[in-house]
Amino acid sequence: NAGVTQTPKFQVLKTGQSMTLQCAQDMNHNSMYWYRQDPGMGLRLIYYSASEGTTDKGEVPNGYNVSRLNKREFSLRLESAAPSQTSVYFCASSEPGGYGYTFGSGTRLTVV
Amino acid sequence: QKEVEQDPGPLSVPEGAIVSLNCTYSNSAFQYFMWYRQYSRKGPELLMYTYSSGNKEDGRFTAQVDKSSKYISLFIRDSQPSDSATYLCAMSPPGGTSYGKLTFGQGTILTVHP
Repeated sequence: NAGVTQTPKFQVLKTGQSMTLQCAQDMNHNSMYWYRQDPGMGLRLIYYSASEGTTDKGEVPNGYNVSRLNKREFSLRLESAAPSQTSVYFCASSEPGGYGYTFGSGTRLTVV
Repeated sequence: QKEVEQDPGPLSVPEGAIVSLNCTYSNSAFQYFMWYRQYSRKGPELLMYTYSSGNKEDGRFTAQVDKSSKYISLFIRDSQPSDSATYLCAMSPPGGTSYGKLTFGQGTILTVHP
């Protein structure tokens, strides 16, 4: 089915470990986004990529890096995980000139 | 102060009730307004979007925007247990989400009981 695919769905990390969250979309969207969702905080933008080859910081970029590998793929990397990064991470994409995102199903990350 | 404020609830109503969900915002540059529905352990899905002020209706759902008051609402008529979810408002400046970024409210947890 067309949409946004995130891997993995669940992950437990130890403090200081690194990992990369993968995201791919097959809707030919130009723009892609990474959000984190925490109780009472709603969705907060970590990084976004308006188009292939560009990335920009969002509201909460500290501790994260991103790579827009090609038009389809946008990855999020945690270099040294901290307990404060325990969250649900969502990737999303949007069509050119369109309004509204298509979200993936999320990655539930726990850092112990 | 957050740019977008949304009462997190939780809100519990009986089946068939009219539900009103609301958000206020402070950034007058917002022109596009959206409502997302998120079922438990799923990603948000776009429910409705409107541009500038006015109303938009889609079946049992009506979205209203009052830019003069910086206030948006989502009404659900004849609510069903299947409407039980978290509802998030979202907004963006002109140009659509390809050019800007969506700012989300905290989300309201709604439960419709039979």
